[in-house]
Amino acid sequence: DAGVTQSPTHLIKTRGQQVTLRCSPISGHKSVSWYQQVLGQGPQFIFQYYEKEERGRGNFPDRFSARQFPNYSSELNVNALLLGDSALYLCASSLSGQGNYGYTFGSGTRLTVV
Amino acid sequence: QKEVEQNSGPLSVPEGAIASLNCTYSDRGSQSFFWYRQYSGKSPELIMFIYSNGDKEDGRFTAQLNKASQYVSLLIRDSQPSDSATYLCAVNVRGKSTFGDGTTLTVKP
Repeated sequence: DAGVTQSPTHLIKTRGQQVTLRCSPISGHKSVSWYQQVLGQGPQFIFQYYEKEERGRGNFPDRFSARQFPNYSSELNVNALLLGDSALYLCASSLSGQGNYGYTFGSGTRLTVV
Repeated sequence: QKEVEQNSGPLSVPEGAIASLNCTYSDRGSQSFFWYRQYSGKSPELIMFIYSNGDKEDGRFTAQLNKASQYVSLLIRDSQPSDSATYLCAVNVRGKSTFGDGTTLTVKP
């Protein structure tokens, strides 16, 4: 069975541009969460979606948005990129919306803003 | 004060020793607790979860939870060089997992 898949794996963007990151959860998992991980720090929560509805939002500016599709895949959009948005973006899926059994992470998208 | 705090390390132990990793959290509403392992350049991998006070053992790993003290720990017995990684503690409240910044463990042969 395929795990959590993310695309692209690496991305280089210029300040001010917009980026879309994609995630497909494990088959049967209805919850997708997005995390940002800066080098040397733990993952920071951005969004959680469950059954296509936003269940939670972290302390990120409105430049960050996301959605979940009927097939439970998800996109994370970041507008007006800043240098500080350079990070590893992780998608995590779980069976339930509560995440009581933990998350399975994808291999991430490494975003570099220049 | 951070919501989840871990000693950043690095923690160095000899092969075969017990490695002890600690974590404290601030939200008393926290419902479930996790340990993830992250190798350099890779994504986090879930290794243990615990809900109830006490110990939970899985192979060489033991997670310990004390909700009164808001404290979670991970013991790794018979440490191996392949255990060298960053260990992330995570605390779950209503579907949102908050992570610590991790403790880097090095197991020396």
